[in-house]
Amino acid sequence: DTAVSQTPKYLVTQMGNDKSIKCEQNLGHDTMYWYKQDSKKFLKIMFSYNNKELIINETVPNRFSPKSPDKAHLNLHINSLELGDSAVYFCASSQGDVSEAFFGQGTRLTVV
Amino acid sequence: GEDVEQSLFLSVREGDSSVINCTYTDSSSTYLYWYKQEPGAGLQLLTYIFSNMDMKQDQRLTVLLNKKDKHLSLRIADTQTGDSAIYFCAEWGEAGTALIFGKGTTLSVSS
Repeated sequence: DTAVSQTPKYLVTQMGNDKSIKCEQNLGHDTMYWYKQDSKKFLKIMFSYNNKELIINETVPNRFSPKSPDKAHLNLHINSLELGDSAVYFCASSQGDVSEAFFGQGTRLTVV
Repeated sequence: GEDVEQSLFLSVREGDSSVINCTYTDSSSTYLYWYKQEPGAGLQLLTYIFSNMDMKQDQRLTVLLNKKDKHLSLRIADTQTGDSAIYFCAEWGEAGTALIFGKGTTLSVSS
């Protein structure tokens, strides 16, 4: 059973389109995250959700909007995609703070 | 703000030991982590150390923590080609908001 699953695994789309990436965790964790990994493999936190409430938003453009219908799901919606949005996006979850974070397999987004 | 620094590349021969170093800034971190990312895959927790420990050993892995210098290291004994991956050091950010990662060290193991 996959603990943190993301779909799709690959996403190729044109500039200007709107797309969503879905994430689900079956670990019963109360906090979920979105990270962006750029072409240099640097990982940067984008959003953190605790019990369906946004608790951080690290200078991410407002074209990115996380949506959490319940504490097991945290989806990422991106409007008006730009070339610079091309990256691998990772979803993660943890139980509270200062405990291990579990990561999904990533979604490779390519904007052409 | 928090900052976690690592050297970006390390090359070793199969059978040698590898040492990956990391410095961090948040002295209140309760746990410090090492994650491994294989090509095309997500991140897996490799090991972690509690802040009141100096050393933790787990089979071929040894983690050393120097709290005074805010320095963390990961030693892999008898490195194998399957250890080739990116290794990330991580600590929890302010108020435990999210894990903050170093830039990752790409370990390349040649036979």
